Amino acid sequence: GNSVTQMEGPVTLSEEAFLTINCTYTATGYPSLFWYVQYPGEGLQLLLKATKADDKGSNKGFEATYRKETTSFHLEKGSVQVSDSAVYFCAQGGGADGLTFGKGTHLIIQP
Amino acid sequence: EPEVTQTPSHQVTQMGQEVILRCVPISNHLYFYWYRQILGQKVEFLVSFYNNEISEKSEIFDDQFSVERPDGSNFTLKIRSTKLEDSAMYFCASGSRAGGLAGELFFGEGSRLTVL
Repeated sequence: GNSVTQMEGPVTLSEEAFLTINCTYTATGYPSLFWYVQYPGEGLQLLLKATKADDKGSNKGFEATYRKETTSFHLEKGSVQVSDSAVYFCAQGGGADGLTFGKGTHLIIQP
Repeated sequence: EPEVTQTPSHQVTQMGQEVILRCVPISNHLYFYWYRQILGQKVEFLVSFYNNEISEKSEIFDDQFSVERPDGSNFTLKIRSTKLEDSAMYFCASGSRAGGLAGELFFGEGSRLTVL
């Protein structure tokens, strides 16, 4: 079946550092790809998405590019803030089960 | 902004008891889902629901689980006889399109179930 693999956490960075969280997927065809974020005590919120190869999703300074050739959708941000501390989930869509999630990456930003 | 709401936010129950988790999806959505997240683990699909019937269910969704849309607004998940391993955060989600294709799913804030 489909699966999503993302880098293990926690990832600890200093404020204003560059962030990359790796994500790869396994699926035939062209699934839609998503990054969801879960802030402490809250539910899952869509951060960004891409629906076809070479699409770039972006929101709140975060970006991810749909790379079909490497089956990847890595999340990046040029300068992180303390408020970005959260758990980030990569996900792929396309089936009746809605979304297949990765395990999540806990990001901790220190001032 | 429309949102998915879930109740209760936290429920503690004894093993073997029945639990009902409730969700109010976004009003014009047609596709409904339950996911669960055991502490520290990934978000896992349980079941999807469309047109008043189950579209897909995972191997986790055994005979102890059931879903219902009793009226035009609520979407419930029932666990008939809870086990310790049912302790998790349960997320409801809804979407306007099937299968999280081009569209996103909207998630509630989750119901934390603790089975003692």
